[in-house]
Amino acid sequence: ELKVEQNPLFLSMQEGKNYTIYCNYSTTSDRLYWYRQDPGKSLESLFVLLSNGAVKQEGRLMASLDTKARLSTLHITAAVHDLSATYFCAVGFGNEKLTFGTGTRLTIIP
Amino acid sequence: DTEVTQTPKHLVMGMTNKKSLKCEQHMGHRAMYWYKQKAKKPPELMFVYSYEKLSINESVPSRFSPECPNSSLLNLHLHALQPEDSALYLCASSLDRGGTQYFGPGTRLLVL
Repeated sequence: ELKVEQNPLFLSMQEGKNYTIYCNYSTTSDRLYWYRQDPGKSLESLFVLLSNGAVKQEGRLMASLDTKARLSTLHITAAVHDLSATYFCAVGFGNEKLTFGTGTRLTIIP
Repeated sequence: DTEVTQTPKHLVMGMTNKKSLKCEQHMGHRAMYWYKQKAKKPPELMFVYSYEKLSINESVPSRFSPECPNSSLLNLHLHALQPEDSALYLCASSLDRGGTQYFGPGTRLLVL
């Protein structure tokens, strides 16, 4: 059974600081996604990572994938309040199924 | 049109009611999904339809019955639900199997 773990589960950080969210998964996968969810809202697709060493960046967020270590990271640079949300990684398994990580609830403090 | 829509946004139903959730997309996506999300938890996959055929059923109780009338529509029929079924129900679609999934706004269901 594929297991996907994120850490930390909760993260409170000050504006302007940098931090990294980690996503570990237990079996080989061919794709990894990062999603954002605001309270009471749906999931917004942020990144899809398809190969070892893949790096994607959008604004203050950068995601990377190390398939050998079965690890993806989501790096936040110079955090701003608007980035407060819950972030999920999701690992593709087979043709259709996604298994979501536990989620990281990020709070940016002014 | 680049979005997935879901109706209703909110639903309150008794345990003896029958109701349906509706999901629609006009992006030409051929895979559609139902997820259940409890508060402060990740989404859990319920069903996957690919080319209008059910391809994955994650051992969901029969009180949940999915239907895909055409390539743009996905329904979830609800009957005799339990209070523990209260959750946010999310629909998603992707261009094909294994593609990036795009989520609708969800239906927040409360079973009394």
